[in-house]
Amino acid sequence: DTGVSQNPRHKITKRGQNVTFRCDPISEHNRLYWYRQTLGQGPEFLTYFQNEAQLEKSRLLSDRFSAERPKGSFSTLEIQRTEQGDSAMYLCASSLYPMAGGGEKLFFGSGTQLSVL
Amino acid sequence: AQTVTQSQPEMSVQEAETVTLSCTYDTSESDYYLFWYKQPPSRQMILVIRQEAYKQQNATENRFSVNFQKAAKSFSLKISDSQLGDAAMYFCAYRPPNTGNQFYFGTGTSLTVIP
Repeated sequence: DTGVSQNPRHKITKRGQNVTFRCDPISEHNRLYWYRQTLGQGPEFLTYFQNEAQLEKSRLLSDRFSAERPKGSFSTLEIQRTEQGDSAMYLCASSLYPMAGGGEKLFFGSGTQLSVL
Repeated sequence: AQTVTQSQPEMSVQEAETVTLSCTYDTSESDYYLFWYKQPPSRQMILVIRQEAYKQQNATENRFSVNFQKAAKSFSLKISDSQLGDAAMYFCAYRPPNTGNQFYFGTGTSLTVIP
């Protein structure tokens, strides 16, 4: 178990460019979540997958954002035509659902810090 | 609407002392899950402790314990024998039962441990 891995750790881009982040969850976990965190705030839910199916998307996820989990393993989050307001930490988390005893626990990666200039 | 409120943006504690971080939440559900996550400067969120709402007994993990008051919708975290490594942002989180799968996070409390 190597934990949840996110790449890159940092991304600096110019406004209007497209960026893509990758998340590798814990291998046996069937759920994968994307959250966004801005300075001084808690993580905000963006979307989640159960296996390869994207089951829920937040209204925060504009049409410039797209996430995929093609084989039910790793996931990518793409932001098209980036805006300065997209600058944030993008966190990925995975879980095994349902877990023994019920409920769910999220295990987070270290995040990708996006800066849009 | 489900919301999580952490009313203490910053707290400090002397090393080896005890500190309590506050959290309240709003829900109409009767069964749900509550969590405390720690986010050190490395920014990786680490699960500290978890509580099922249907359990009356307060969860405990070594030096970390919670005071869960279901009627008051309060879920505070007590850190005993504070250590320098406890310095971090602490986030309270709520997860509804089967309806919806979001975890809702508070705005966090920054804990400083004074040597």
